[in-house]
Amino acid sequence: DTGVSQDPRHKITKRGQNVTFRCDPISEHNRLYWYRQTLGQGPEFLTYFQNEAQLEKSRLLSDRFSAERPKGSFSTLEIQRTEQGDSAMYLCASSLVGPDTEAFFGQGTRLTVV
Amino acid sequence: GENVEQHPSTLSVQEGDSAVIKCTYSDSASNYFPWYKQELGKGPQLIIDIRSNVGEKKDQRIAVTLNKTAKHFSLHITETQPEDSAVYFCAAGTSGTYKYIFGTGTRLKVLA
Repeated sequence: DTGVSQDPRHKITKRGQNVTFRCDPISEHNRLYWYRQTLGQGPEFLTYFQNEAQLEKSRLLSDRFSAERPKGSFSTLEIQRTEQGDSAMYLCASSLVGPDTEAFFGQGTRLTVV
Repeated sequence: GENVEQHPSTLSVQEGDSAVIKCTYSDSASNYFPWYKQELGKGPQLIIDIRSNVGEKKDQRIAVTLNKTAKHFSLHITETQPEDSAVYFCAAGTSGTYKYIFGTGTRLKVLA
């Protein structure tokens, strides 16, 4: 197992375009999280899945953002009508369910909206 | 709302010296406190964590202490090496939950 994998690593898009990112969690990890990290800040929680169910969305996740995890394995995060303020590192993490779990992060997708 | 304060924002130490990073959390329900190291262009990497039923945990040159009463927890790195240079984040959450509140990060520079 090579850990949490995210694709692409970098994305440059024009304002108003749609973008989609993919996250492949660690095998058998049934929890998957999306975070956003802007320059000089810590990661901020966006949303979370347990298996295929999306259990919570942060207020940071506007209507232009949608995340899916259709088969309980990989997940996609789509941003519609991108804005310059969406420029950030989008991080995916995964973990097992249980009281003593740890979250492991992927390398992130850096989005630049021009 | 819940937040985690982290200090200092930058820290420079000579190689071989110790480094200490401190965090304070606000949510009394928090009982799990991981520390992450993030190198440029990479995702955060878990380096050590502590749960509220212990006051201290060590792993080689790294240790973490927790004071639940004061809602403080700290990362201690001894015998620092240049490869320890990175941004370190503390976080607070509830054991087994799905989200953490992160601090704002400490940029550690170890000078050779």
